[in-house]
Amino acid sequence: AQSVTQPDIHITVSEGASLELRCNYSYGATPYLFWYVQSPGQGLQLLLKYFSGDTLVQGIKGFEAEFKRSQSSFNLRKPSVHWSDAAEYFCAVAAGASGGSYIPTFGRGTSLIVHP
Amino acid sequence: ETGVTQTPRHLVMGMTNKKSLKCEQHLGHNAMYWYKQSAKKPLELMFVYSLEERVENNSVPSRFSPECPNSSHLFLHLHTLQPEDSALYLCASSQDRAGRTEAFFGQGTRLTVV
Repeated sequence: AQSVTQPDIHITVSEGASLELRCNYSYGATPYLFWYVQSPGQGLQLLLKYFSGDTLVQGIKGFEAEFKRSQSSFNLRKPSVHWSDAAEYFCAVAAGASGGSYIPTFGRGTSLIVHP
Repeated sequence: ETGVTQTPRHLVMGMTNKKSLKCEQHLGHNAMYWYKQSAKKPLELMFVYSLEERVENNSVPSRFSPECPNSSHLFLHLHTLQPEDSALYLCASSQDRAGRTEAFFGQGTRLTVV
């Protein structure tokens, strides 16, 4: 079964600084990988996804993530954080085309705090 | 707007009440999910329906009863809840094994049990 680890519970950055949120997964083959964002009291919104192909994927709101098979990682990055990016970020993994559970498994989430 | 609509957005109920949460999707998806999100806890998968058949039930207490009358609608019937059941209940949908599996979420129902 697949699993996801987000090692950072909280991350604090200054507005305008760069950001990297870490995500590691455990799965036997190449999975489908996702990053979601959740604003307070809201549902989860998809930021970006990786299914296959180019390992650097671009998402909405200026976010990108890089799939590194050798490290079993899918870290989320943004070059310059805005105050509105303060939210909870979730990494998720689902089985890829090789089969297995299609049900997405979520990490515990990383809370992003942005200082002015 | 994600294509997944949940009602009501907020619900306050007593421990002896019976209420239902509703979820609706018109994305043509075959799988629908209920998640529970409590403060300071990870997302807990409660139920999964695939093609209207329940395929996963993660040891959820019987006071939560799901219903999936068709592929577009999912309900969560609640009765004799406990205060610790207060949480944000999220509904999601996705394509089944046949396709890409990104999940689309509703905005959630904030449930408070008093």
